Amino acid sequence: NAGVTQTPKFRILKIGQSMTLQCTQDMNHNYMYWYRQDPGMGLKLIYYSVGAGITDKGEVPNGYNVSRSTTEDFPLRLELAAPSQTSVYFCASSFPTAYQETQYFGPGTRLLVL
Amino acid sequence: QQQVKQSPQSLIVQKGGISIINCAYENTAFDYFPWYQQFPGKGPALLIAIRPDVSEKKEGRFTISFNKSAKQFSLHIMDSQPGDSATYFCAARGGAGSYQLTFGKGTKLSVIP
Repeated sequence: NAGVTQTPKFRILKIGQSMTLQCTQDMNHNYMYWYRQDPGMGLKLIYYSVGAGITDKGEVPNGYNVSRSTTEDFPLRLELAAPSQTSVYFCASSFPTAYQETQYFGPGTRLLVL
Repeated sequence: QQQVKQSPQSLIVQKGGISIINCAYENTAFDYFPWYQQFPGKGPALLIAIRPDVSEKKEGRFTISFNKSAKQFSLHIMDSQPGDSATYFCAARGGAGSYQLTFGKGTKLSVIP
């Protein structure tokens, strides 16, 4: 099992450019998440999905879009990149139950917008 | 806005000492409280978790203490080791059918020899 994989590991974007961050999981998890992590600010939820074809906004969705056409993949799209989107982005997946919620995180994508 | 407040922001402990990190929450609907450990350049990983009907959970050197009436919970690391140096995040799950986690801002732990 590779778990949760993310590509690319690092990317520099110019202001106004667009890009897609890729996320794939091989654990057949129904839930998937995108977080951003800024220094000293913890993890902020951008978007999440409870299954293929279903997505919903998290705490900080502005400037991002997602899609979930398969159970395995959950790409995050940045349109018109801005310096405020400089961050480390983590994808996670889980199969929550009433008694537990273990989110498995990918290694992250470091994005720098200049 | 649901919040989980975590303290301290950073912590330095000598090898063999006890590390204590505290979290407080407001929403009584939270139904699951995990702690995640993150090493530099890596994604967070679940360390230990507790449900609100339990006051304490221990796994090896790691213990969660939970005070439901005070809406507080804490992570204790006994016999802290340099390999425990990492950033620790507490979190709380939404409750009422919501599986979203709200994270604290993190505590950077440094264990010095």
